[in-house]
Amino acid sequence: EPEVTQTPSHQVTQMGQEVILRCVPISNHLYFYWYRQILGQKVEFLVSFYNNEISEKSEIFDDQFSVERPDGSNFTLKIRSTKLEDSAMYFCASSEARTGDSPLHFGNGTRLTVT
Amino acid sequence: DQQVKQNSPSLSVQEGRISILNCDYTNSMFDYFLWYKKYPAEGPTFLISISSIKDKNEDGRFTVFLNKSAKHLSLHIVPSQPGDSAVYFCAASRQGAQKLVFGQGTRLTINP
Repeated sequence: EPEVTQTPSHQVTQMGQEVILRCVPISNHLYFYWYRQILGQKVEFLVSFYNNEISEKSEIFDDQFSVERPDGSNFTLKIRSTKLEDSAMYFCASSEARTGDSPLHFGNGTRLTVT
Repeated sequence: DQQVKQNSPSLSVQEGRISILNCDYTNSMFDYFLWYKKYPAEGPTFLISISSIKDKNEDGRFTVFLNKSAKHLSLHIVPSQPGDSAVYFCAASRQGAQKLVFGQGTRLTINP
C-alpha cells in the first residue's frame, strides 16, 4: 500500500538554527499538509498546500515557517529560526482530494527536538 | 481549541468484546468526521470516516455512528482484538476548510 514517507525520523537542533523537514507524499495525491503534536497535546494543523501554493494556514504557521514542493515528489517544511517551543512531532499528510472529500494519510513523523 | 473532545483518556476492553470510543464536537459547521488509530512512533492511520449526510458507516469490524443533534460520534470495534490496542483520535472538518480538528485521543487497551 502506498505511504507517506518522512525524513529524518528524529532531528535535534539548537535554538535559532534552521531546520528542513522532508516528506514524500503518496504519488497520485494532490493535497499536502503539515500537522504537529507537542508532547501530551492534540495533533494541530499547520498548513495545507495545493497547486503549488498554500491553501490554508493556522495561527501557528507564522513567518518562521515555510513550505515548498521543490520537485514532483518532495514536500518540505522549513523553520527558519527554531525556538524551544517548536519541539514537537511533525506529521506530513497527503490526500487525493480536498479535506472533507477524502481522508488524509499521514507519515510516521519527524520528532524535532530544539535544545 | 476544544471544538472536538474525547472525554475518556483511556479505555480497557476484553478481547472479543465490543469497544466503544466516543467523541463530542461543538462546531455545528463540521460535516466530515474521521477516526484515526495511532501506534507509538507511528503516524495516525486512517480507519473510517462519515459524512454528515449519513448517520452510520461500517467497514468490517469498525462502525462509526453520527448523532448530529447531540453533536456526538462513536466508533464501535467488534470483536476487539489485541492488535486494536492503540490511541484513537477522532477528527472533524467543515466544508471549505482544509484542516482537520483533532480530539485529544483515547488510549484503548485490549486485554486477553
